[in-house]
Amino acid sequence: SAVISQKPSRDICQRGTSLTIQCQVDSQVTMMFWYRQQPGQSLTLIATANQGSEATYESGFVIDKFPISRPNLTFSTLTVSNMSPEDSSIYLCSVEHSSGRGAYEQYFGPGTRLTVT
Amino acid sequence: AQSVAQPEDQVNVAEGNPLTVKCTYSVSGNPYLFWYVQYPNRGLQFLLKYITGDNLVKGSYGFEAEFNKSQTSFHLKKPSALVSDSALYFCAVTGDYKLSFGAGTTVTVRA
Repeated sequence: SAVISQKPSRDICQRGTSLTIQCQVDSQVTMMFWYRQQPGQSLTLIATANQGSEATYESGFVIDKFPISRPNLTFSTLTVSNMSPEDSSIYLCSVEHSSGRGAYEQYFGPGTRLTVT
Repeated sequence: AQSVAQPEDQVNVAEGNPLTVKCTYSVSGNPYLFWYVQYPNRGLQFLLKYITGDNLVKGSYGFEAEFNKSQTSFHLKKPSALVSDSALYFCAVTGDYKLSFGAGTTVTVRA
């Protein structure tokens, strides 16, 4: 499995500011994903990030609010822009791992716990 | 569209007793099914998956899951629960590459 790290692990931010979350993988991967886990809730996919192309956003998420970079096959960033208290969540990145049988499980980073005051 | 239902918010069992966490799914085409576990203040850990083949799949930490196509279910099981199994468990399904997660089931194993 891939080893995934995220920075920062947690942060407390003021409303109106922006935070960039970094995700680093120890191997080259094609697809990286960003999820949000709001307090006491399940995971919601924000976007899929492929190297060399624009990220693909899910319904309800837009690039202006959650810009994503994917400069190479081992790294991605997610920025939470113009934050409000409703953005307080855990943000997780994940990568797809091929088992060679056509179905890909995802491995997740430890998450970034964001609190917006 | 694809979706997952975990009908129980919480499951409580005594250590040493069997543990079952329920999951039903809906997906177009063949399902790929997954179980993940989340310990407090940690990310998700992959437990096991079903792609095709044997309906009973074995995973990490002594967990197994049974795929039932007619009931569209993929219940997670462990024959003898440990206190350390106390965590939040998520079932997930995909028909392509995007995972859809259930709401999660909190498992508490009492000593």
